[in-house]
Amino acid sequence: NAGVMQNPRHLVRRRGQEARLRCSPMKGHSHVYWYRQLPEEGLKFMVYLQKENIIDESGMPKERFSAEFPKEGPSILRIQQVVRGDSAAYFCASSPLQKTGSGELFFGEGSRLTVL
Amino acid sequence: AQKITQTQPGMFVQEKEAVTLDCTYDTSDQSYGLFWYKQPSSGEMIFLIYQGSYDEQNATEGRYSLNFQKARKSANLVISASQLGDSAMYFCAMRKLLSGSARQLTFGSGTQLTVLP
Repeated sequence: NAGVMQNPRHLVRRRGQEARLRCSPMKGHSHVYWYRQLPEEGLKFMVYLQKENIIDESGMPKERFSAEFPKEGPSILRIQQVVRGDSAAYFCASSPLQKTGSGELFFGEGSRLTVL
Repeated sequence: AQKITQTQPGMFVQEKEAVTLDCTYDTSDQSYGLFWYKQPSSGEMIFLIYQGSYDEQNATEGRYSLNFQKARKSANLVISASQLGDSAMYFCAMRKLLSGSARQLTFGSGTQLTVLP
């Protein structure tokens, strides 16, 4: 499967625990985006990363959330001390390096976090 | 800032008929792209069609076409000959296209389409 791979698909955490969501972009893609989808809503941008760099984190909550995309390995979205309001579907998308142009984003199947 | 508005929370269409899903957008950028994604009940996001702001012709992809009216800032999705498998949530989205600018998509709230047999 050459698509964007996210795991786990489903994650259950209790309040106060940590959640780690992983995303492997499509082969050859160097840009990764994380989106959050709350129930009954559209996707909201969180963060945009390239290898070893955070390019835009304007959509990330200021506390408890962090993201990385190391030189080797998948991108990680980390949520510390989860609360019930963090329950959502978290989507990762990737795109190839492009200077301009449409550059559609290819989405993974999402990771659904449930906080008890 | 960019904003996408989808005013139809839910739509119904009879199988084999055409349906239009509305999308209006607001942006001060001159160069932008408009996208439609489909999200079936299984949850994945499936890219359907793309329209660039400078494209003179409306985009088409199989049974999908995008009715792009730049002056009205609308980018409606038209699905012809609806099939039961088209039942899903549909999202309109846009992004800037200039080099070096942020590449993230801004999404609308979606339209839930139900195709009736």
